[in-house]
Amino acid sequence: SQQGEEDPQALSIQEGENATMNCSYKTSINNLQWYRQNSGRGLVHLILIRSNEREKHSGRLRVTLDTSKKSSSLLITASRAADTASYFCGTQGAQKLVFGQGTRLTINP
Amino acid sequence: GAGVSQSPSNKVTEKGKDVELRCDPISGHTALYWYRQRLGQGLEFLIYFQGNSAPDKSGLPSDRFSAERTGESVSTLTIQRTQQEDSAVYLCASRPGLQETQYFGPGTRLLVL
Repeated sequence: SQQGEEDPQALSIQEGENATMNCSYKTSINNLQWYRQNSGRGLVHLILIRSNEREKHSGRLRVTLDTSKKSSSLLITASRAADTASYFCGTQGAQKLVFGQGTRLTINP
Repeated sequence: GAGVSQSPSNKVTEKGKDVELRCDPISGHTALYWYRQRLGQGLEFLIYFQGNSAPDKSGLPSDRFSAERTGESVSTLTIQRTQQEDSAVYLCASRPGLQETQYFGPGTRLLVL
């Protein structure tokens, strides 16, 4: 069964607005990673946050992790049309990354 | 090459036929993963190779699915007696031994008629 579950399943916003996606998981993790997927092809790694970290930034991306609630959020600020994609969180236990169903983000020009 | 490559890009086959999917990981990456992604769904873990250790096959959905990897090089995923429900994109990823980030290939889109 899937470990991570993203919410919402789909999100549509106007260009320039901020987009927030959430990920919940069930068991303890070593780290949590966010990936982006365009057009149903390969995933591209965006950012990794370790279990002892609470917040991390990379460019327009901000990730938070709350291990007590077993949840993470990905914030994309000042969204652009090129951010349109599916976003997946992957939770890492011993060796495997387990992915959720993803959030489909659409940025409207 | 610079990234993970997979072949073929697309494969159409008839129900009951066997298919082989190939993954060329990034040189030097000791870990290799196979995932399945059905249309509009998330990634399902299939199998994981780490160096010369025994592979983690816990995600293989049935005994029709098998995978091999020779050392730290190419891997092949074989699906025997394909069924229509096997239609999906099959993604391969590799990573260096001491890093957690996975590098994905473009996937093979399999359609079983």
